[in-house]
Amino acid sequence: EVQLVESGGGLVQPGRSLKLSCAASGFTFSNYYMAWVRQAPKKGLEWVATISTSGSRTYYPDSVKGRFTISRDNAKSSLYLQMNSLKSEDTATYYCAALLQGPRYWGQGVMVTVSS
Amino acid sequence: DVVLTQTPPTLSATIGQSVSISCRSSQSLLHSNGNTYLNWLLQRPGQPPQLLIYLVSRLESGVPNRFSGSGSGTDFTLKISGVEAEDLGVYYCVQSTHALTFGSGTKLEIK
Repeated sequence: EVQLVESGGGLVQPGRSLKLSCAASGFTFSNYYMAWVRQAPKKGLEWVATISTSGSRTYYPDSVKGRFTISRDNAKSSLYLQMNSLKSEDTATYYCAALLQGPRYWGQGVMVTVSS
Repeated sequence: DVVLTQTPPTLSATIGQSVSISCRSSQSLLHSNGNTYLNWLLQRPGQPPQLLIYLVSRLESGVPNRFSGSGSGTDFTLKISGVEAEDLGVYYCVQSTHALTFGSGTKLEIK
C-alpha cells in the first residue's frame, strides 16, 4: 500500500523557519519526481515545489522562490521542505505528492500556521 | 505561467444526473514528447485530493467508469455519467506539462 506521511508542521512566528518531512513507502520512491502542494484554509490547491528523481533539479513558483528549498533522500525514501522567512500567507495544509504523469499519490497533509 | 480556468465554480446535481466540468488552459498542454499532462482530481471533504483521470482521458485504477475525461490542446472536460452520493466534493484539473498548475476547483453538491 502506498503511503506518504508528512510531519513537522505547527505554529511558527513570521520570519522564522520550519522544515517539513514526508516519509514514503509502498512504491519505488527514487523513480518518482516529488512535489509539495499547499492549500490555504478554505482555498484551492497551490504548487510549492518539485524535485527530480535524483534531486539534481528543483523547481519553484515565484511565491516561494528564494525562501523554500525542496530536497530528498532516496536512501531513506524521504522528501523535505525547508521553509525560511515565513509569512502569514504561507499558512496552509502542506501535502507531499508523488508525480507520475501528474500528481498520482498524496499524503494526508500537515498544517503550518504562521502567526505571532 | 499557465493558467487553468475551471467552470462552473459550483455544480448542484441529483443522483443519477450527468454533469460536465470544463477546464481551459492559457496555453497548449501538448508536451514535446506527444503527451498531454492534464489530470483531474477529486477532493472529498476533509480528505487529501485523489487522482481520477490522467493524460486527459485515462482512468486511474479503482476509479468508477462513470468518470471520463476528454479534450486536447487547451480545452478539456470531465464528465460524470450518473452522479452518485459519494461523488460530492471539489474537482480540480491540474496540468504538469509546464511545471504544475491547478484549476480553481468545481464544488459538486448533491441535491
